[in-house]
Amino acid sequence: SQLAEENLWALSVHEGESVTVNCSYKTSITALQWYRQKSGEGPAQLILIRSNEREKRNGRLRATLDTSSQSSSLSITATRCEDTAVYFCATVTYQGGRALIFGTGTTVSVSP
Amino acid sequence: EAAVTQSPRNKVTVTGGNVTLSCRQTNSHNYMYWYRQDTGHGLRLIHYSYGAGNLQIGDVPDGYKATRTTQEDFFLLLELASPSQTSLYFCASSDSRTDNQAPLFGEGTRLSVL
Repeated sequence: SQLAEENLWALSVHEGESVTVNCSYKTSITALQWYRQKSGEGPAQLILIRSNEREKRNGRLRATLDTSSQSSSLSITATRCEDTAVYFCATVTYQGGRALIFGTGTTVSVSP
Repeated sequence: EAAVTQSPRNKVTVTGGNVTLSCRQTNSHNYMYWYRQDTGHGLRLIHYSYGAGNLQIGDVPDGYKATRTTQEDFFLLLELASPSQTSLYFCASSDSRTDNQAPLFGEGTRLSVL
């Protein structure tokens, strides 16, 4: 089951521009996580936003959470070529234990 | 330094073959996970564990067994490999006892079943 979904397969921007990746999820959550995966690497967590938070920032990254619409967004400002990666949202669901379930991912390409 | 180490990094086997993927974490984390990653599907959870001897079923468990022998070691077993199991496999560990439960991922194992 895919409990979280990013809304677009791919986005392309030029360096310096901003980009936003959106995610929708299907179950009630205690927190939503955003990950980045660069080519040839495993995913790395960027931001964890809890259900009682509406916004969380980490440098050039800003995550929002709307529990009423079960959606979240990750915005990157002043993009750089090294931001090129696949971005995933993920949620924890309890099915015997803490299962960390990922969305299908959005590929963000930043060109010079 | 916290780490998740997978071995082998690459594996080629034939249909019907027996494959074991290994994962070791040195983070003292209680949770360990096995995922497969395929284009268009993202990361899909196969099995996971919250401690030695424990096993939980993920979303795509068919054709896979797993065993958590120690706190550090989590193995994924394909006893009759099929071409549909050709994929990139990731292991991860996390600690549910810390406030920010950020998992750490290994570098992946690329498996080809011919």
